Amino acid sequence: QKEVEQDPGPLSVPEGAIVSLNCTYSNSAFQYFMWYRQYSRKGPELLMYTYSSGNKEDGRFTAQVDKSSKYISLFIRDSQPSDSATYLCAMIMTTDSWGKLQFGAGTQVVVTP
Amino acid sequence: DVKVTQSSRYLVKRTGEKVFLECVQDMDHENMFWYRQDPGLGLRLIYFSYDVKMKEKGDIPEGYSVSREKKERFSLILESASTNQTSMYLCASSSDRDQPQHFGDGTRLSIL
Repeated sequence: QKEVEQDPGPLSVPEGAIVSLNCTYSNSAFQYFMWYRQYSRKGPELLMYTYSSGNKEDGRFTAQVDKSSKYISLFIRDSQPSDSATYLCAMIMTTDSWGKLQFGAGTQVVVTP
Repeated sequence: DVKVTQSSRYLVKRTGEKVFLECVQDMDHENMFWYRQDPGLGLRLIYFSYDVKMKEKGDIPEGYSVSREKKERFSLILESASTNQTSMYLCASSSDRDQPQHFGDGTRLSIL
């Protein structure tokens, strides 16, 4: 079993809908959480970074962390066709000396006009 | 904004060649990382460096080496390229062990 589980999709939504993405993890040593967006043939771009349980908002994006359930989510409001991309969750363990990232598999999102 | 620059977006090489991939970051970050990304396998860590001239093996170091002579520059070397090293290679950097990594746009390498 992988340490970080993420449904690869694809997830297809109509323009204007809310996109809901999530990852689960098995090790409580994960304490730092990130969401990246990756367009085709480009590198991952950092969207959100959080280390606290609860919600963090940035524009149309909300990241949610529930450490008790070992579950993180990303919500995209008022989705646009330009949000079509692969979204990767990533996390770092406090026990890791070097800050190595553990990635989910990535969820492909398609927003249709 | 952090900028991580990879020297080539696309590269085609032949088997047996020695291949150099270069990465430069402009934020004085301590840590630098090399990954490869393949369909169905996700991102896999090849090597990383936490200081000049220091390196650590990642999950798949076989067939690769690295060099970090200056803080801002991290090179990945394919000693004798093979077709199974055809992949997207991504460089990243971070300021500290609890900080997110910032990625370059990748080098799509084809070994013929």
